[in-house]
Amino acid sequence: ILNVEQSPQSLHVQEGDSTNFTCSFPSSNFYALHWYRWETAKSPEALFVMTLNGDEKKKGRISATLNTKEGYSYLYIKGSQPEDSATYLCAFNNAGNMLTFGGGTRLMVKP
Amino acid sequence: NAGVTQTPKFQVLKTGQSMTLQCAQDMNHEYMSWYRQDPGMGLRLIHYSVGAGITDQGEVPNGYNVSRSTTEDFPLRLLSAAPSQTSVYFCASSYSGQGAVKQYFGPGTRLTVT
Repeated sequence: ILNVEQSPQSLHVQEGDSTNFTCSFPSSNFYALHWYRWETAKSPEALFVMTLNGDEKKKGRISATLNTKEGYSYLYIKGSQPEDSATYLCAFNNAGNMLTFGGGTRLMVKP
Repeated sequence: NAGVTQTPKFQVLKTGQSMTLQCAQDMNHEYMSWYRQDPGMGLRLIHYSVGAGITDQGEVPNGYNVSRSTTEDFPLRLLSAAPSQTSVYFCASSYSGQGAVKQYFGPGTRLTVT
């Protein structure tokens, strides 16, 4: 069983704050790292899939970076809005057919 | 496209009962999978399939069976429900089993076993 950890488990921020959270994964046999956004009562939706060390991806106010050598990825949200409130999941793949998910970071943005 | 659909949305079972959770996708995806979601544990892979007629075990397969007779459908069977199987179940699909391909998730089935 692969160890994929996310921190913090939960986060409360004020509207307008910028924030970031971490996904740690095994640095050996890396193939891909996924980020998903999961709103309450909905299904997880893909934000990014990253494969190369040093990758940076951006979607609106959300961006992610990848360091495969040290085994971590950061997700950044600039100027958080209440609609950003969700659980953010990362998932690691080592070239097999399985994704291993972290426990998620639950973000709550207060207006 | 309807995407990934799951039925039922909610289900209550008694210990020992059996049931099938349905999953279908209309995107002609080869890869389909089932996850369970428990508080604080993220999503854990139960079973997956890389194409019709091919299935394999994930991280937590005990107590569950799957089959893949068509590309579109991937039902999950609980053989004899136990309280430990109380969870939210998500079906997902992608166009291939390659790890660099994003997954599309269904709306989930909330199962309670009493």
